[in-house]
Amino acid sequence: NAGVTQTPKFQVLKTGQSMTLQCAQDMNHEYMSWYRQDPGMGLRLIHYSVGAGITDQGEVPNGYNVSRSTTEDFPLRLLSAAPSQTSVYFCASSYFAEGANYGYTFGSGTRLTVV
Amino acid sequence: KNQVEQSPQSLIILEGKNCTLQCNYTVSPFSNLRWYKQDTGRGPVSLTIMTFSENTKSNGRYTATLDADTKQSSLHITASQLSDSASYICVVRGPSGGSYIPTFGRGTSLIVHP
Repeated sequence: NAGVTQTPKFQVLKTGQSMTLQCAQDMNHEYMSWYRQDPGMGLRLIHYSVGAGITDQGEVPNGYNVSRSTTEDFPLRLLSAAPSQTSVYFCASSYFAEGANYGYTFGSGTRLTVV
Repeated sequence: KNQVEQSPQSLIILEGKNCTLQCNYTVSPFSNLRWYKQDTGRGPVSLTIMTFSENTKSNGRYTATLDADTKQSSLHITASQLSDSASYICVVRGPSGGSYIPTFGRGTSLIVHP
C-alpha cells in the first residue's frame, strides 16, 4: 500500500546512545518532515525537507540531524539520546508547490523511550 | 508568535449526537487551515483543507467552516459514530520567512459513548 513507512515502531535507548529513525514514502512527494508529539502538546516540527539534498530546521531541531539523499527516504538521527527526547515521532510527506495546498500523509509513528 | 488554540480540550458525547469543535488562530498571513483526525496510536489523517477564501468544506459527516476575519474555524461532526472517538487537530499554515512551518493545535479529544 502506498504511504509513509516508519521503522521501528518502538525503541528503548539508554542515555547517550545514538540511533536512526527511518522514514520512507512511495508517493513521490517532494516535502517530508519529522514531528514529535508529547502529551498535552501539539505536534512540533523537528526538521523538514522540500526536496532531495535540501533540509531545514523546524521548531525543535536541537539533538537531531537529518539528510535527504533521495526523494523517498528521510531518516532522523539522534546523536546522543537524552530522556527529554522520549516522545512519539511522526514522519509526514506531501506534494510541494508554492501557494498550493496539500494535506500531509503521516506515518504510524515511532514510540521512543530514553532511559 | 503564531498560535492555534483548540476547544474544548476534551468532549464526551453519545453515539448519534452532533458536536462542534473550535479552533482559534493567530497565524498571519494565513495560507490554509487543515483538520486532522488522529486515532490512538496512529498518525494523523487529513479530514479537510481550506484556504482563506473558502468558508466551508465537507468530508462525509465532517464539515469544517472558516471565518478568516475573526480567525476562527470549527469542525462539525454529524450523527457521531463510535469510530469518531479520536483526537482532532487543527493545523494552520502561513508562510514564515520563506519556509513552510505549520502551527499545530493541541487537539480536542473526542469520546463517543454507545
